[in-house]
Amino acid sequence: NAGVTQTPKFQVLKTGQSMTLQCAQDMNHEYMSWYRQDPGMGLRLIHYSVGAGITDQGEVPNGYNVSRSTTEDFPLRLLSAAPSQTSVYFCASSYDVPQGGDRGYTFGSGTRLTVV
Amino acid sequence: DAKTTQPPSMDCAEGRAANLPCNHSTISGNEYVYWYRQIHSQGPQYIIHGLKNNETNEMASLIITEDRKSSTLILPHATLRDTAVYYCIVRSSNTGKLIFGQGTTLQVKP
Repeated sequence: NAGVTQTPKFQVLKTGQSMTLQCAQDMNHEYMSWYRQDPGMGLRLIHYSVGAGITDQGEVPNGYNVSRSTTEDFPLRLLSAAPSQTSVYFCASSYDVPQGGDRGYTFGSGTRLTVV
Repeated sequence: DAKTTQPPSMDCAEGRAANLPCNHSTISGNEYVYWYRQIHSQGPQYIIHGLKNNETNEMASLIITEDRKSSTLILPHATLRDTAVYYCIVRSSNTGKLIFGQGTTLQVKP
């Protein structure tokens, strides 16, 4: 049981490049989310998914795309990287409703992205 | 989505109880209150959650007022390793979203 796995852990991109941040969970969680955290700031929700084939926008969706073809995977695509997207990105997953023994959202260890 | 209000910072002496308050006056009847903490730049760590009853686990206790408009997270014996940013979040009952606020920076001092 690996929990939530994010790859890569570190990435440097040039302005205009595209890339995909990977997120996988092995807990059979229905809900998955992507957050970004800028230095000294709180986490902001980018996109989220309530199940395979269903995604929706969060607080700061512009410049990012997501898809959810399987329960396990929720990749985040940066379409054309900009310096303003330099941030730490966290993926998280959860059951759809709080359950006995539930511990809410489980977070990955993050991807540190720098756009130059 | 229900908003939460927390003090930006608090201090606590090592070994003493840390009581972190949170207001969530617009919470709906079926929405849960969750507490997370974030140490340095690690991923947020789940602490505890509750609906209406007080809850206790190995990390902390959660006290929710009868009208559910506020809650308090209690770390019974704070240690230096409890220094972190603590987030109180109302989880949306419709979408399950977690929307983070600015949280409370807890500094535990020797």
